[in-house]
Amino acid sequence: DAKTTQPNSMESNEEEPVHLPCNHSTISGTDYIHWYRQLPSQGPEYVIHGLTSNVNNRMASLAIAEDRKSSTLILHRATLRDAAVYYCILRVNYGGSQGNLIFGKGTKLSVKP
Amino acid sequence: SQTIHQWPATLVQPVGSPLSLECTVEGTSNPNLYWYRQAAGRGLQLLFYSVGIGQISSEVPQNLSASRPQDRQFILSSKKLLLSDSGFYLCAWSNQGLLNEKLFFGSGTQLSVL
Repeated sequence: DAKTTQPNSMESNEEEPVHLPCNHSTISGTDYIHWYRQLPSQGPEYVIHGLTSNVNNRMASLAIAEDRKSSTLILHRATLRDAAVYYCILRVNYGGSQGNLIFGKGTKLSVKP
Repeated sequence: SQTIHQWPATLVQPVGSPLSLECTVEGTSNPNLYWYRQAAGRGLQLLFYSVGIGQISSEVPQNLSASRPQDRQFILSSKKLLLSDSGFYLCAWSNQGLLNEKLFFGSGTQLSVL
C-alpha cells in the first residue's frame, strides 16, 4: 500500500500561515493526494486534493512537489477553528477496490491565540 | 444536497451483546459506502466498503460484519461484542468511479464495550 509520513504534531499562532508537510515517496503516477481534517469527536472533513498541479480552494492550498514524493497543505491564516488532526492520504487504485482512502495517524495541529 | 445519517451517536454495550449500527445516505444514488473505526488515540481503520447492494468487501478480518440491504443503507453488526470493539465508528460515502472523488463522513458513533 502506498503510505504517507507526517509529523505527529505542529503548533501555530492564530492569524499566521501554517505549512503541513507530507512525504509519500512510494506514490505512483495515478495516485491522488487527498487531505482531510478531523475535529474532536467529529468525522473527518474533506479539505483538498490534487494529482500533479498545485491546487487552491476556499479552505487551503496544496503544493505538490515536482517529483510528487511530497506535498504541503497550506492554511493561509490559521484560526482557532483550524485546530484539528490533518490527514494526508493517497487514493490508490488497486484491484477492484475503487481507490479506498487509507488513513494514517495524521498531524495534530494546535493553534495558539 | 446529499446528507449522511448515522446513529446512535453514543452507545454503551456489555461484552457479548449484539451490535447494530445503521447509516443512510440521502440525495445520491449508487454511492460507495464505507465503515471506518477509530480506536482511542489512533488513526482511522477501514473496516468494510461496498460498491453496491449486497456487495461487501472486508479490509480487516474481525468480529464485525456489514450488510447493504438497500442502495443507500449500510449496517455494521456484531453477534457478540468484545472489549476490543470499543471505538469511534464512522460511516462514509463517495460517488463511484474516479479517484478524485471526495469522501463524506457521518458524525460517528462512540461505542463503549464494558
